[in-house]
Amino acid sequence: QQQVRQSPQSLTVWEGETAILNCSYENSAFDYFPWYQQFPGEGPALLIAIRSVSDKKEDGRFTIFFNKREKKLSLHITDSQPGDSATYFCAASTNNNNAPRFGAGTKLSVKP
Amino acid sequence: GGIITQTPKFLIGQEGQKLTLKCQQNFNHDTMYWYRQDSGKGLRLIYYSITENDLQKGDLSEGYDASREKKSSFSLTVTSAQKNEMAVFLCASSILWGGQDTQYFGPGTRLLVL
Repeated sequence: QQQVRQSPQSLTVWEGETAILNCSYENSAFDYFPWYQQFPGEGPALLIAIRSVSDKKEDGRFTIFFNKREKKLSLHITDSQPGDSATYFCAASTNNNNAPRFGAGTKLSVKP
Repeated sequence: GGIITQTPKFLIGQEGQKLTLKCQQNFNHDTMYWYRQDSGKGLRLIYYSITENDLQKGDLSEGYDASREKKSSFSLTVTSAQKNEMAVFLCASSILWGGQDTQYFGPGTRLLVL
């Protein structure tokens, strides 16, 4: 059972556009949501994270929007660059020391 | 800063073979993890270790053994490789156990079973 779902599976945008990656979850106990970025041939690396007490977290061109009531969040990448082409994983965890749950990932391609 | 090293980078095995993957970290982190990454399925936890000589099963532990010989190293053994199996095995570490601490990942070992 997939506790964290991501959509779309793949996304292509043009350079300069805003890419929107979606994530939803089932367990209302999840309260920490990191996003990891993975380039081909490398392991994932933490990009940005949000806690459920916030509805928005911004870091440069990357912003997480969080809707606790709907159990949904999204990662917005503004002014997308070809170097942003990667797979993005949404993860979720609770505060009682359980392993994080990862979504299946969204593969983003940014065309110049 | 630190680094996680995984060996080998590529592993080709035969059906039924016992295969061992190794991971080393120099972050001095207490917790280490093994994940399996399949296309379209995200990352699934196989084993984790909270400290040296500790071992805990994840969701996908069947068919695998693990060993935390010392704080800096964590090994994973595929006990009997399955024909046509193809996956990437990722090792990670974090300061603390639990999903609220940043995990640092290695580059992965790519497994192909003929």
